[in-house]
Amino acid sequence: DADVTQTPRNRITKTGKRIMLECSQTKGHDRMYWYRQDPGLGLRLIYYSFDVKDINKGEISDGYSVSRQAQAKFSLSLESAIPNQTALYFCATSDPSTPSTDTQYFGPGTRLTVL
Amino acid sequence: QKEVEQDPGPLSVPEGAIVSLNCTYSNSAFQYFMWYRQYSRKGPELLMYTYSSGNKEDGRFTAQVDKSSKYISLFIRDSQPSDSATYLCAMSAGGGNKLTFGTGTQLKVEL
Repeated sequence: DADVTQTPRNRITKTGKRIMLECSQTKGHDRMYWYRQDPGLGLRLIYYSFDVKDINKGEISDGYSVSRQAQAKFSLSLESAIPNQTALYFCATSDPSTPSTDTQYFGPGTRLTVL
Repeated sequence: QKEVEQDPGPLSVPEGAIVSLNCTYSNSAFQYFMWYRQYSRKGPELLMYTYSSGNKEDGRFTAQVDKSSKYISLFIRDSQPSDSATYLCAMSAGGGNKLTFGTGTQLKVEL
């Protein structure tokens, strides 16, 4: 079944460590997104990619980097994790060829804790 | 002021009640409106999608958009305990623009 998957689902790490979160999708969508979700703040966009050669910063990109390895894969890295990066992270995809061009489909999330 | 405002709740209703969830927004360019449902420790799932003003019905769910008032609503009829979740509104101007999300309303439907 077409899906958006994220690994790992849970991760506990220490301040200063480098962390990579991975996202894969079988929907065939060109567009992929990384969000973080914090209580009371909702979903905030970190980075987005409209195709393999296109990477764009979102509203809170500081402290994060991304890599779009293929149409189906989009990774988020925290170069040196800090405690205020503790959050729920979601990957999402969208398909610009459909009438609902901005509708996004989300993965199950990664719960990251930085000690 | 946030571009999209949504009451965080929590909203607690008895089973069978009609639920009304709402969002207001300030950007008149928004044309595409979505509702997502998010269960605890899960990713948001698309529930309803509407374009421009008007109503859209899907089973027990009705999405309503009033662009003149910059106000959107989601109605849930005959609410069930399985409807207990956080409901997020989202909207965009279209043409590949990013989604802007509300912070979500937590709903609890009690037996």
